[in-house]
Formats: sequence, C-alpha cells, structure tokens
Amino acid sequence: EVQLVESGGGVVQPGGSLRLSCAASGFIFSDHFMDWVRQTPGKGLEWVGRSKNRGHNYITEYAASVRDRFIIYRDDSRNSLHLQMRGLKSEDMAVYYCVVWQAGVASWGQGTLVTVSS
Amino acid sequence: EIVLTQSPGTLSLSPGERATLSCRASQSVPSKYLAWYQQKPGQAPRLLIYSVSNRATGTPDRFSGSGSETDFTLTIARLEPEDFAVYYCQHYDSSPPYTFGQGTKLEIK
Repeated sequence: EVQLVESGGGVVQPGGSLRLSCAASGFIFSDHFMDWVRQTPGKGLEWVGRSKNRGHNYITEYAASVRDRFIIYRDDSRNSLHLQMRGLKSEDMAVYYCVVWQAGVASWGQGTLVTVSS
Repeated sequence: EIVLTQSPGTLSLSPGERATLSCRASQSVPSKYLAWYQQKPGQAPRLLIYSVSNRATGTPDRFSGSGSETDFTLTIARLEPEDFAVYYCQHYDSSPPYTFGQGTKLEIK
C-alpha cells in the first residue's frame, strides 16, 4: 500500500525558511515522479512543483509563484522527497501535500500545514 | 499555462439525481492527461478519474469521465449521500504548470 507522510510544517515568520519532507513507502520510490501541491485554507489546489525520476534525469519543474524561492529534491536511497522553501510570504501559507504518480495514477499524503506569520 | 475553468461553482442536487460537472481548458490538454479528484472536509483529495475516463482503483462505477481537447465532464449517475463534496479537475503531465480547476462544490439540495 502506498504511504506518503509529510512532515516539517509549522509557523515561520515572513521572509523565513522551512524544509518539508515526505517519507514514502509501499512502492519503488526511485521509479516515479513526485509532486508538491498546496492548498490555502478554505481555497483551491495549487501545483507547486515536480521531481521527475532518474530516467528523466531528475528534472524539476516549478510553478512560477515559487520558482527561485523553493527547491525540490529527492533522496532515492531514503525514499524521501523534500521541499526547501525560502523567502516565505503570507501567500505561501497552506497545507502542503506530497503526491506520487504511478502510471498516471496519483496518490496523496495527508499534508502538513505551513503558517507564515509574524 | 493551461487554465482550467470548472462549472458550475456550486451544484445543488438530491440523492439519486444525476450530476454533471464541467471542466473547460484554455487550450488543448496534451495526450489526455486530465484527472478528476474528490475532496471532503479535512481530507486530502482522492483521485477518481485519470486519463479523462479511467476510473481509479476503488472509484464506484457511477462515476464516469468523458471529453477531449478542451472540454471535459465528470458525471455521477445516481448521487449517493457520500458523493457530496468538492470536485477538482487537473491536467497533470507534458506541459507544466500542472494546473487545477477552481473546484465545483456538490451540495445536498
């Protein structure tokens, strides 16, 4: 069974940094694309970025709203995905989800909440 | 960027009725990479449909997806009480950013 467990959320001041992690199990992590998606409380979903697999040279893709501030990286040896966030703004406050894509099928973690507040 | 526009914003129906949800893309969605999700309060989104019309494991057969190019539809044949939730469409490959629609809230009439 696919399991994705996000961690690292919390309260951070505007301009601060935070690193989110996603621990994966139940599938061959290195084979698959991984996404971060966020959801502002009470609002819709926003795709944040993607880490492609080794077969696609670990290419990363980002939403324009986070490019140059967020970095996605993965550790295939530890079945983990990370999101390093810098220069956090109030509009980055959201629940952040880790998503795995397996043959066109997405599985989601339960999310971790990031609060940006002074 | 492909912009996905869902309609209606809110749909009020009764159990047993048929629901039709629309997702319109600003440009053609590559290679049928269009998915539908269901989200209930306090839960993560759950994949219902992928590649326009393929039901994910565990999706009841009352849910069906259809469409092509820029117009897509999620149909729920006969609403059950547990179907009342928010539904999102997403295009998910080939052409980033992999945007979501703004959602349709399906509520009990």
